[in-house]
Amino acid sequence: DTEVTQTPKHLVMGMTNKKSLKCEQHMGHRAMYWYKQKAKKPPELMFVYSYEKLSINESVPSRFSPECPNSSLLNLHLHALQPEDSALYLCASSQAPAGGADTQYFGPGTRLTVL
Amino acid sequence: AQKVTQAQTEISVVEKEDVTLDCVYETRDTTYYLFWYKQPPSGELVFLIRRNSFDEQNEISGRYSWNFQKSTSSFNFTITASQVVDSAVYFCALSEADTGGFKTIFGAGTRLFVKA
Repeated sequence: DTEVTQTPKHLVMGMTNKKSLKCEQHMGHRAMYWYKQKAKKPPELMFVYSYEKLSINESVPSRFSPECPNSSLLNLHLHALQPEDSALYLCASSQAPAGGADTQYFGPGTRLTVL
Repeated sequence: AQKVTQAQTEISVVEKEDVTLDCVYETRDTTYYLFWYKQPPSGELVFLIRRNSFDEQNEISGRYSWNFQKSTSSFNFTITASQVVDSAVYFCALSEADTGGFKTIFGAGTRLFVKA
């Protein structure tokens, strides 16, 4: 089973709202990722969690706050977003982050619209 | 700095034609990994293949084949006898070591249209 699930599928929020995106995997993977994908562009890495610790933050604005409560769950907390943050947010997981670049398995994404 | 170039923005073919998607990469590392992903209109990225820098063997999987050539820093993808279901955006990606772990950078993608 190579399934990564993400909720919600769609999210519309105002600039003053606080919301969270959720990602879950039950493959025993120890690395999890958040990517942002604008329309007709490639995914761009935002954060990497390795063994539940934040290992890479690609200089993402603080209005995006990741959290990894356990090895199966990854959240992305959103606060005071801007309309330009509207995008498809993709979560991925891989078996182990150390020793090589393992294959990342992606979820279906959350399509976020900021009004 | 790592870089992945997919020079073909869009390709349109008729069903049953063969099509090759090009990928050229740049890296200073000797250890790196290359990937191809497919993104259908539904949005989910589907893994197709992973190659490490020490394995230049070409690979065939059904109608898909990959040609990895370190001498030209290319990792091209060929679909034989294309089908309408192959219509999607295809991304080539490169992973190499960075502070904190391996980072993956994606090419701009090639949008493939297969017409019936």
